[in-house]
Amino acid sequence: QKEVEQNSGPLSVPEGAIASLNCTYSDRGSQSFFWYRQYSGKSPELIMSIYSNGDKEDGRFTAQLNKASQYVSLLIRDSQPSDSATYLCAVTSNTGFQKLVFGTGTRLLVSP
Amino acid sequence: SAVISQKPSRDICQRGTSLTIQCQVDSQVTMMFWYRQQPGQSLTLIATANQGSEATYESGFVIDKFPISRPNLTFSTLTVSNMSPEDSSIYLCSVHWPSGSNEQFFGPGTRLTVL
Repeated sequence: QKEVEQNSGPLSVPEGAIASLNCTYSDRGSQSFFWYRQYSGKSPELIMSIYSNGDKEDGRFTAQLNKASQYVSLLIRDSQPSDSATYLCAVTSNTGFQKLVFGTGTRLLVSP
Repeated sequence: SAVISQKPSRDICQRGTSLTIQCQVDSQVTMMFWYRQQPGQSLTLIATANQGSEATYESGFVIDKFPISRPNLTFSTLTVSNMSPEDSSIYLCSVHWPSGSNEQFFGPGTRLTVL
């Protein structure tokens, strides 16, 4: 079982729709959860972090965390073509140095 | 966030040679991280570098292949030694920012192609 699992996609949504990206993780001791956006040829950009169960909203982005189900998701409201990118879920391991373990990413395509 | 730069941004190298990648941060940070992103893949942590101590390597990565230096709190280097085509990847450094937080920010990366 992979430590952090994501559907590779592509997830295709029309402009203006809600995009829902999902991630599951295996380490029950994980404490910190992150979503990164990566455009082709660019480095990952941190867009959301979440540390406690529930929802966290930032602009058009909402991160949701359910530690009991070992599940974290990212909702993008009013999706724009500029949101087309690969979204990486990352989880800190339950070891020293706050090591980040990444999922393989979900490719999102937003069509005009 | 901290401003992170990497040199070179890209390089094409011959097998058997070595390349040293530099990572510079505009603020002092405790830990610096080196990742590899192979074509079409996600990020894999190579090692964690603390100033004044040996780097801590992840399973599958060894110091002889990926020696790391961390001479001060704003700078680190990663050397890819005795390269083979399988080393063709993007190499990224990252830091926690602000220092001590859990959030990691990445440099722009170094795209390495080994022929």
